[in-house]
Amino acid sequence: GEDVEQSLFLSVREGDSSVINCTYTDSSSTYLYWYKQEPGAGLQLLTYIFSNMDMKQDQRLTVLLNKKDKHLSLRIADTQTGDSAIYFCAETPYNQGGKLIFGQGTELSVKP
Amino acid sequence: NAGVMQNPRHLVRRRGQEARLRCSPMKGHSHVYWYRQLPEEGLKFMVYLQKENIIDESGMPKERFSAEFPKEGPSILRIQQVVRGDSAAYFCASSPASGNEQFFGPGTRLTVL
Repeated sequence: GEDVEQSLFLSVREGDSSVINCTYTDSSSTYLYWYKQEPGAGLQLLTYIFSNMDMKQDQRLTVLLNKKDKHLSLRIADTQTGDSAIYFCAETPYNQGGKLIFGQGTELSVKP
Repeated sequence: NAGVMQNPRHLVRRRGQEARLRCSPMKGHSHVYWYRQLPEEGLKFMVYLQKENIIDESGMPKERFSAEFPKEGPSILRIQQVVRGDSAAYFCASSPASGNEQFFGPGTRLTVL
């Protein structure tokens, strides 16, 4: 079956690193994504990783993928107050037309 | 190049009325996905359409909900005889091809009184 799970809340201080974790069940997933949702807004794609990669870095964002444990993480370096939002991880199961399966979202709160 | 457009942004309906939600994909995109976000939850897939075809409607409730993506014009998600449990944010996403990155619209927030 398809299931994606995330912890619901994370609170950090400005300037610290944030690490948001996600586990998924479908080993056939081809791509895994991180989206950001600000209050009242749509989803903004932050980054994605192909399932045959272990790590991807993009400026302040680092994605780590442990395919054996089906664990995905997003690290935000030097977290800013503007990073406060809900972060969703999502997977695309193989051969299902590209539909996204989302986790419940992690609400990141950044304190000054 | 305008992004994915959805309208209305906010929609209020009384129980039993119909709700019509519109989504205009990005230029050049022929694949549309609809997702529903219930309060305090993640997004759940509802339906995947290409022009004039429903490809996957496995996430759509069996009754009262329908979707279309005609040859011309926006994709429409239609909810008949709305109930309070239909209150949610409905997001549309488009992509140029299956499996490619999906670009999301701002969503329509439906409130059923």
